[in-house]
Amino acid sequence: DTGVSQNPRHKITKRGQNVTFRCDPISEHNRLYWYRQTLGQGPEFLTYFQNEAQLEKSRLLSDRFSAERPKGSFSTLEIQRTEQGDSAMYLCATRTSGDTGELFFGEGSRLTVL
Amino acid sequence: AQSVTQLGSHVSVSEGALVLLRCNYSSSVPPYLFWYVQYPNQGLQLLLKYTTGATLVKGINGFEAEFKKSETSFHLTKPSAHMSDAAEYFCAVSSSGAGSYQLTFGKGTKPSVIP
Repeated sequence: DTGVSQNPRHKITKRGQNVTFRCDPISEHNRLYWYRQTLGQGPEFLTYFQNEAQLEKSRLLSDRFSAERPKGSFSTLEIQRTEQGDSAMYLCATRTSGDTGELFFGEGSRLTVL
Repeated sequence: AQSVTQLGSHVSVSEGALVLLRCNYSSSVPPYLFWYVQYPNQGLQLLLKYTTGATLVKGINGFEAEFKKSETSFHLTKPSAHMSDAAEYFCAVSSSGAGSYQLTFGKGTKPSVIP
């Protein structure tokens, strides 16, 4: 158990609907990352928070995607007007402020868009 | 910019034989290198990491990897394959120095362990 909690674990939705995923980090971890993983691929970076500040966003994060981390604790990733191409596993990972770069991953939220 | 290449998305290995999973990286600054394992429908678990110092690093479950700067490689090995090693393995690179230390992952390699 890595201590990073994600929910829901599975979400099936119809194209055009909005979905939101939540990530609860390990309590002392102030850095939080969202990754997307599609079938047969490695995780791809989406966005990064240091405390409540969103410091980096990937070009993969279209304007339909938004992420927040109010108060620097849990984070949410919302996808608006979902498309079939959004079907993927969305992974949250967190770490402390040290510079080793080791990430602790949650078990992911799998999205299926019909 | 940084990137990772994992040669072979699927490899076959006999139970008890050497496991060798290849990883080559590209990084403009000294890299931090990682191997993660992922079991079906689960998140990623860290196997081992190289940041600085000794180039041969040992991880969990009997795995080890050697950082070879001249070859830009960080291959993962295990002396004797076990059925429980059947999972997907991802090599990742993170650039040292200031910044977000985001990881860039390879596409993964999945060994099939043959009894």
